[in-house]
Amino acid sequence: GDSVTQMEGPVTLSEEAFLTINCTYTATGYPSLFWYVQYPGEGLQLLLKATKADDKGSNKGFEATYRKETTSFHLEKGSVQVSDSAVYFCALLSGTYKYIFGTGTRLKVLA
Amino acid sequence: KAGVTQTPRYLIKTRGQQVTLSCSPISGHRSVSWYQQTPGQGLQFLFEYFSETQRNKGNFPGRFSGRQFSNSRSEMNVSTLELGDSALYLCASSLRDATEAFFGQGTRLTVV
Repeated sequence: GDSVTQMEGPVTLSEEAFLTINCTYTATGYPSLFWYVQYPGEGLQLLLKATKADDKGSNKGFEATYRKETTSFHLEKGSVQVSDSAVYFCALLSGTYKYIFGTGTRLKVLA
Repeated sequence: KAGVTQTPRYLIKTRGQQVTLSCSPISGHRSVSWYQQTPGQGLQFLFEYFSETQRNKGNFPGRFSGRQFSNSRSEMNVSTLELGDSALYLCASSLRDATEAFFGQGTRLTVV
């Protein structure tokens, strides 16, 4: 079945460092891909999305490109801030009306 | 525009009891999905409703059930609660077809 694999955390970075969180997927067909972020005590917030191969999603300085050839959707940010500390989830949406989520990657940014 | 509203935010129940959680989607959204989030299993899909019809169901026992009303509001029910049902239950709504889902803050259920 469909699945999402993302890098284990936690990831600890200094402020202004470059961030990469790896995400790969297995799916039949052509799923849409998403990154969600969860702050402590909160639900999930959509960070960015891509619906077809080579699409680049971007928001708040975060970017991810839908790479069909490598079945990847890695999240990147050029300069992280303390306020980016959260848990990040990679997800795919299959044709069966449900999201498949990765296990989440906790990011901690130090001032 | 109001977001997805889940009530209650926190709940403590005893084993064997049942519980009903409520979700009000964003106005105009007709698809509502439910997910269970636990530290061990992560985010797992429970079910999805569209126009009062369940279109998909996850691998959960029959103790977990849900429904959607004509105004798109949804409820989920868990009967005969077990300790392992302690989790954050998240509701998500979308315009249609579960695309670009918007999540509520969740209901934190603790079973003692």
